[in-house]
Amino acid sequence: GEQVEQRPPHLSVREGDSAFIICTYTDSATAYFYWYKQEPGAGLQLLMSVFSNVDRKEEQGLTVLLNKKDKRLSLNLTAAHPGDSAVYFCAVNTNKVVFGTGTRLQVLP
Amino acid sequence: NAGVIQTPRHKVTGKGQEATLWCEPISGHSAVFWYRQTIVQGLEFLTYFRNQAPIDDSGMPKERFSAQMPNQSHSTLKIQSTQPQDSAVYLCASSLEGLGGYEQYFGPGTRLTVL
Repeated sequence: GEQVEQRPPHLSVREGDSAFIICTYTDSATAYFYWYKQEPGAGLQLLMSVFSNVDRKEEQGLTVLLNKKDKRLSLNLTAAHPGDSAVYFCAVNTNKVVFGTGTRLQVLP
Repeated sequence: NAGVIQTPRHKVTGKGQEATLWCEPISGHSAVFWYRQTIVQGLEFLTYFRNQAPIDDSGMPKERFSAQMPNQSHSTLKIQSTQPQDSAVYLCASSLEGLGGYEQYFGPGTRLTVL
């Protein structure tokens, strides 16, 4: 079945810096991709969804890149602020949604 | 729109007791998903309903776990004879339709602690 690897597991950046998270997946037929944010004690908040016909998507300081050839999905948070501190998950959807292992992001003031 | 509602938020049970977790999907959503989240295993898919019918329960432990969706406004996950290894956060999500690209929206989760 689909395997998703996410890295780094932990990331610490200064306020105003960028934070970059990457996921790799195995099933080339995967068509739908998502990024979620989870704050302590909360569920997963959908940040962005990307379909396989899109290579790049930007929304509100977030940039998602999809490289289908390399089966790689990335999230870049530009100008991070302390409120961005959370755990971030990628997810891919073929016939089932499979989540990455999460990246704990800490944004230091 | 209240989002996905899960109750209770926290539940503590003794080993061997039963736990029932509730999920109310977003109004108008036809699909409900259950996941389990632990530090060790991460996010694991448990089961999925569409239009109240069970579609995929491949992630459900074969013993002690069961899920139902008696009507379009709620789903339950029941764990019989709870064991300490069942301790986890159980997350419910709903989507407009089933799989095939529809975005899943998550509830806040129920943290189950089995003593």
